[in-house]
Amino acid sequence: NAGVMQNPRHLVRRRGQEARLRCSPMKGHSHVYWYRQLPEEGLKFMVYLQKENIIDESGMPKERFSAEFPKEGPSILRIQQVVRGDSAAYFCASSPYPGQPKNSPLHFGNGTRLTVT
Amino acid sequence: KNQVEQSPQSLIILEGKNCTLQCNYTVSPFSNLRWYKQDTGRGPVSLTIMTFSENTKSNGRYTATLDADTKQSSLHITASQLSDSASYICVVTKNTGTASKLTFGTGTRLQVTL
Repeated sequence: NAGVMQNPRHLVRRRGQEARLRCSPMKGHSHVYWYRQLPEEGLKFMVYLQKENIIDESGMPKERFSAEFPKEGPSILRIQQVVRGDSAAYFCASSPYPGQPKNSPLHFGNGTRLTVT
Repeated sequence: KNQVEQSPQSLIILEGKNCTLQCNYTVSPFSNLRWYKQDTGRGPVSLTIMTFSENTKSNGRYTATLDADTKQSSLHITASQLSDSASYICVVTKNTGTASKLTFGTGTRLQVTL
């Protein structure tokens, strides 16, 4: 049973380009969460999705950022017109339960490290 | 000010020694507290989860304690090994009623040396 798979592991983009980050949840998990981690800071919640639905996007910037979790295929976090401040590690986590489960851990991928030059 | 504060920020210990990491939180209403281990370049992995009524929980050489009255938790590592070198993150879940939200501390970076 493979864990949460994220790709690419490293992504370099020039300012103004688009970044697409992919996340395949664990088998049987239909709830996906995206987090951003800046150097020396804790993980910050961005968005929570279920299949074909965005449940909570309160942590995601309203401009340039979007996320989807289609019926088939991985969840995608898209950042348009990237800027240097978008450089960070982006982690995806999945769960078989709705909401952020009270008594069950999230399963994290190993992240995508985005560098904007 | 972060609602989850961890100390120390970093720690270096010799292999075989014990250490204790601290977590203070102000998140309310509280649902549960988790400790995660994050190796360099990897995603966090859960070590322990504790709810309001649990005071202590062990996972091998890791023992977590929780005092919900003082809103403090600690993670004690016994007989440290080189592989314990990692960041240890305290995560508190806030019960918002219909859903719950996680707040992450910035972590304690532990380095175990020979």
